[in-house]
Amino acid sequence: KAGVTQTPRYLIKTRGQQVTLSCSPISGHRSVSWYQQTPGQGLQFLFEYFSETQRNKGNFPGRFSGRQFSNSRSEMNVSTLELGDSALYLCASRAGTASGELFFGEGSRLTVL
Amino acid sequence: SQQGEEDPQALSIQEGENATMNCSYKTSINNLQWYRQNSGRGLVHLILIRSNEREKHSGRLRVTLDTSKKSSSLLITASRAADTASYFCATDGGGANNLFFGTGTRLTVIP
Repeated sequence: KAGVTQTPRYLIKTRGQQVTLSCSPISGHRSVSWYQQTPGQGLQFLFEYFSETQRNKGNFPGRFSGRQFSNSRSEMNVSTLELGDSALYLCASRAGTASGELFFGEGSRLTVL
Repeated sequence: SQQGEEDPQALSIQEGENATMNCSYKTSINNLQWYRQNSGRGLVHLILIRSNEREKHSGRLRVTLDTSKKSSSLLITASRAADTASYFCATDGGGANNLFFGTGTRLTVIP
């Protein structure tokens, strides 16, 4: 079974631009979560989607948004990029609806200049 | 914040020694999980312990859970250089559909 796939792996943007990151979960997994990881704040929960519905949302500004498609693939978008948005963005999928094991992708490393 | 905290923040040991990491959390939980992350990579699930369990083993890993103290520990026995990584605990906040991760312990195993 293929693992969680995130694209792109690395990207560089400038302030004010917007970015879209993609995540393909493990086949059969309907829950997709997104996390932001920075040296200062650690792993911060962004949002979770299940069957195309946002089920949970972390404490991030509205510039951060996401969506999930009918095939469970998910995208997250960050608009009007700020320097502080530089981070490793991790996607994780899960099979069930309970708080079970998460399967993580390798992440998308975003650098904002 | 529901984020947990790991202690110590960094740990350096010789190959063959045991490594112990501790995690404290703030809310009630259904389960607590430990993950490992190699530098700049994704996290890998190591072990899950339910709130009604006190101890769990998996290979060289031993996890304990004390819900009265809201704390957990991860013991890695007979460490290897390949165990060098960051280790995170994660809790479900008592039923939330997302996990809250701790601050992590950076383990370095010296060959």
